[in-house]
Amino acid sequence: KAGVTQTPRYLIKTRGQQVTLSCSPISGHRSVSWYQQTPGQGLQFLFEYFSETQRNKGNFPGRFSGRQFSNSRSEMNVSTLELGDSALYLCASRDTLTDTQYFGPGTRLTVL
Amino acid sequence: QKEVEQDPGPLSVPEGAIVSLNCTYSNSAFQYFMWYRQYSRKGPELLMYTYSSGNKEDGRFTAQVDKSSKYISLFIRDSQPSDSATYLCASHSGNTPLVFGKGTRLSVIA
Repeated sequence: KAGVTQTPRYLIKTRGQQVTLSCSPISGHRSVSWYQQTPGQGLQFLFEYFSETQRNKGNFPGRFSGRQFSNSRSEMNVSTLELGDSALYLCASRDTLTDTQYFGPGTRLTVL
Repeated sequence: QKEVEQDPGPLSVPEGAIVSLNCTYSNSAFQYFMWYRQYSRKGPELLMYTYSSGNKEDGRFTAQVDKSSKYISLFIRDSQPSDSATYLCASHSGNTPLVFGKGTRLSVIA
């Protein structure tokens, strides 16, 4: 089975721009979660989608949003980028039988 | 207090040593406990998964959970330079988001 894929792997944006990141979960997995990883804060939960519905949401501002499509692929969008949004954004696919999550390689976003 | 606390290290050991990595957690509702390994510039890789209290062994790795003391451990036997990575503990209570420790950076010196 193919693993979780994320595109693009690297992005450089400037303050005020917006960005869209994409994630394709493991085949058969219907739950996708997004996390932000920074050296200072570690891994922090952004949101989770299951069958196109947002099931959980972390403590991030409304500039961070996401969606999930009928094929379980997910996108997250960050609007009005700030310098502090520079981070590794990770997508995880959940196996609902074992309740374990498998991560993709991440998208490294740099905001200048 | 963060829900999952983990000593960030760094931890440096000689090849062949036994490594002990530990976390504590505060949420009594946590039932699922994971250890992830993350190499530089990669996503976290699921290493061990435990439900509730007890031990789980997989090759050179042993995960332990003591719910009475809210303590999570990972032991690595016969450590290898390829084990050099950041190790992240994580927990959740079922259909809830994973809560991660900040990770411990491990270096195994040949």
